Amino acid sequence: NAGVTQTPKFQVLKTGQSMTLQCAQDMNHNSMYWYRQDPGMGLRLIYYSASEGTTDKGEVPNGYNVSRLNKREFSLRLESAAPSQTSVYFCASSVALQNRPQHFGDGTRLSIL
Amino acid sequence: SQKIEQNSEALNIQEGKTATLTCNYTNYSPAYLQWYRQDPGRGPVFLLLIRENEKEKRKERLKVTFDTTLKQSLFHITASQPADSATYLCALDVNSGGSNYKLTFGKGTLLTVNP
Repeated sequence: NAGVTQTPKFQVLKTGQSMTLQCAQDMNHNSMYWYRQDPGMGLRLIYYSASEGTTDKGEVPNGYNVSRLNKREFSLRLESAAPSQTSVYFCASSVALQNRPQHFGDGTRLSIL
Repeated sequence: SQKIEQNSEALNIQEGKTATLTCNYTNYSPAYLQWYRQDPGRGPVFLLLIRENEKEKRKERLKVTFDTTLKQSLFHITASQPADSATYLCALDVNSGGSNYKLTFGKGTLLTVNP
């Protein structure tokens, strides 16, 4: 039982490059999330998907796009990477949006030079 | 402005003692509050959830209290062990409009249990 799987685990990009972070969950959860975690800032919500077919902005959506490909998969895209997007990115899922524990992947460590 | 504060960035205690971590919040009215554990290089792991109408919840050596008047949650680990060393995050389940809820995290407290 893998839970939430994120790929890649590490990535180094140059400013202006694009990339997609992949996330898949095998728990049949309806809701999925993307967070970034920076030193001194805590976890901040980038985008979320309450259910398949819907996506909404979180606290820090600028510079990112998301796709809820199906119930299992939720990807995060950086169209033109900037050094300010250097961070650790976590994907999470939960049964529903409210009042439910979130299950996290182990993160993607992204450095943008 | 809305704020979540966890009492300190770091807390050191001796093995066997009770660790108490504090989460205070302002300008929120959360319906639920959650606590997570995060180990270095790993994602957060859910520990406990407590509702606004619950005063206390326990799970093995863990106990959480939730005081909506004081706007505070306390997280206790009794008989602490070196393996309890980790960063602990509190998170508020906040209505962001209509039926949308978002989990908002504190910055965490790094707990170190010394043998």
